[in-house]
Amino acid sequence: KNEVEQSPQNLTAQEGEFITINCSYSVGISALHWLQQHPGGGIVSLFMLSSGKKKHGRLIATINIQEKHSSLHITASHPRDSAVYICAGETSGSRLTFGEGTQLTVNP
Amino acid sequence: SAVISQKPSRDICQRGTSLTIQCQVDSQVTMMFWYRQQPGQSLTLIATANQGSEATYESGFVIDKFPISRPNLTFSTLTVSNMSPEDSSIYLCSVESRDRGRTNYGYTFGSGTRLTVV
Repeated sequence: KNEVEQSPQNLTAQEGEFITINCSYSVGISALHWLQQHPGGGIVSLFMLSSGKKKHGRLIATINIQEKHSSLHITASHPRDSAVYICAGETSGSRLTFGEGTQLTVNP
Repeated sequence: SAVISQKPSRDICQRGTSLTIQCQVDSQVTMMFWYRQQPGQSLTLIATANQGSEATYESGFVIDKFPISRPNLTFSTLTVSNMSPEDSSIYLCSVESRDRGRTNYGYTFGSGTRLTVV
């Protein structure tokens, strides 16, 4: 069983829709990271969460430590948001364990 | 945050040969991480490279197949040895990227090396 599981695997939305991607993780993960991988393969770090909520532009990330659950929300989605979104759990030694990723497609 | 230069960006190699991938960071970092992303899958950590000591390999990865060098705090190489078609993947390096004076941090990734073994 993977230490980090995310859903859905694929998500298609219309421009302007509110999007939610979910991530559940297991014991032993000290922080939760959200990453974005562009079609060309480049990976960008979006958020690091150990508690609470963070917001950057139209992106919001939340984490519930008791339930070991995190969500990434995109408000007013746009076609340029189309990418693979990955949650990753940080374990000892700053090592990351990755979820399977969510392929997001936002249609105009 | 740190900037990483990774090369080559892609290569097509014959089975049985080896390829060395380089990552250069624009600042000194303690740990560098090497990942593999097989087609259609997410990333898997290969090893953690610390300067001045042997790399620490994850389960399923061995030094003979993926030797790593870390000669200083800004540079590392990963070699994929005796390649087979199953080694066809994207290989990425990464470093922890911490804003000075802040507790917030993330990870910076190299642009990746797309390897095809024929």
